[in-house]
Amino acid sequence: DTGVSQDPRHKITKRGQNVTFRCDPISEHNRLYWYRQTLGQGPEFLTYFQNEAQLEKSRLLSDRFSAERPKGSFSTLEIQRTEQGDSAMYLCASSYGQTYGYTFGSGTRLTVV
Amino acid sequence: QKEVEQDPGPLSVPEGAIVSLNCTYSNSAFQYFMWYRQYSRKGPELLMYTYSSGNKEDGRFTAQVDKSSKYISLFIRDSQPSDSATYLCAMSVNTNAGKSTFGDGTTLTVKP
Repeated sequence: DTGVSQDPRHKITKRGQNVTFRCDPISEHNRLYWYRQTLGQGPEFLTYFQNEAQLEKSRLLSDRFSAERPKGSFSTLEIQRTEQGDSAMYLCASSYGQTYGYTFGSGTRLTVV
Repeated sequence: QKEVEQDPGPLSVPEGAIVSLNCTYSNSAFQYFMWYRQYSRKGPELLMYTYSSGNKEDGRFTAQVDKSSKYISLFIRDSQPSDSATYLCAMSVNTNAGKSTFGDGTTLTVKP
């Protein structure tokens, strides 16, 4: 098992463009989480899935953000009409059942220019 | 005011020192407390977790929770240069809640 995999590692995009990130969790993990982290800050919760069901969304997740987890396996996070304020590290994590804590991926660093 | 406040640092100590990292929180519903370590350009890595009040030891690391004071600590004994990283505290209401609330991290440098 190679852990939580995120793709791409880095993304530079122009303001107004749409971007999509992918996360592949640890295979037996049924829960998948998305967090956003800006420089000098801790990760902020965006959303999480149990299997294919999206169970909670943060109010930080505006209508420009959408996440999916088809078939309860990998997940995608899409940001439409990107803004400079969207520049951040987007972290994906996974866990199994009622475990404490998560396994994080290395993140996708987004820069909006 | 943030739900979780963490001593901002940065913290610089000589090798072999005892390090104390601290967080306070305002939400009395938090029951699960985690510490993560994050190296530059990497995702956080879970170090330790505790449930409710008390102490938990794992090798050179000790996590301490005082729910009455809404205060948690992580102690690192015999610190090593490889411990140099940002340490994040995190808390959740329960394991079914999904969401964890993180502090902003304390950056630690251990000098040889």
